[in-house]
Amino acid sequence: RKEVEQDPGPFNVPEGATVAFNCTYSNSASQSFFWYRQDCRKEPKLLMSVYSSGNEDGRFTAQLNRASQYISLLIRDSKLSDSATYLCVVSVLNSGGSNYKLTFGKGTLLTVNP
Amino acid sequence: DAMVIQNPRYQVTQFGKPVTLSCSQTLNHNVMYWYQQKSSQAPKLLFHYYDKDFNNEADTPDNFQSRRPNTSFCFLDIRSPGLGDAAMYLCATSRVGQPSYEQYFGPGTRLTVT
Repeated sequence: RKEVEQDPGPFNVPEGATVAFNCTYSNSASQSFFWYRQDCRKEPKLLMSVYSSGNEDGRFTAQLNRASQYISLLIRDSKLSDSATYLCVVSVLNSGGSNYKLTFGKGTLLTVNP
Repeated sequence: DAMVIQNPRYQVTQFGKPVTLSCSQTLNHNVMYWYQQKSSQAPKLLFHYYDKDFNNEADTPDNFQSRRPNTSFCFLDIRSPGLGDAAMYLCATSRVGQPSYEQYFGPGTRLTVT
């Protein structure tokens, strides 16, 4: 089983649509959770962190279910500029507490069409 | 304003010819990472430094080495590049202790091996 699995995509949606991304992770010791966005041939950039209580940032809502080891991202009223690859990312702190590792999902490509 | 700088942005090297990629940061972060990202794949962690403490991933080939002469700079050395090493190489930094453990990525160096 892959450490981080995402919907394979790609997703093609019209402007204004609501789109949901799903992600599962295998390591129950995972500490922190994120969604990163990566534009074509660019570096990943943090979109938002994900907390158990759920969090919202404008049109974006992220949720975490630790019991199910499941993370989601919802984009409402999608814009052309939302077109990108969305990467689900989890981190695990090592036993010494000094180092950690980010593990990335393969990403889901979203294209928002006019 | 650039916080994580990578040079060069594009690098072409010959099969077997050593190459060095560089990364610098203005964030004064403790941790610096090197990732390899091949087309349509997730970024894969090669190794990271926590201050001067080097941490190699178990599956990183011996062909890849790294140096961190000071807080600001980190280098990726590929001793004998093969065709399979053609990829985007991403440098990232983080300050351990932040609750979100956000990593800040540089723009990447795209390596071509001929």
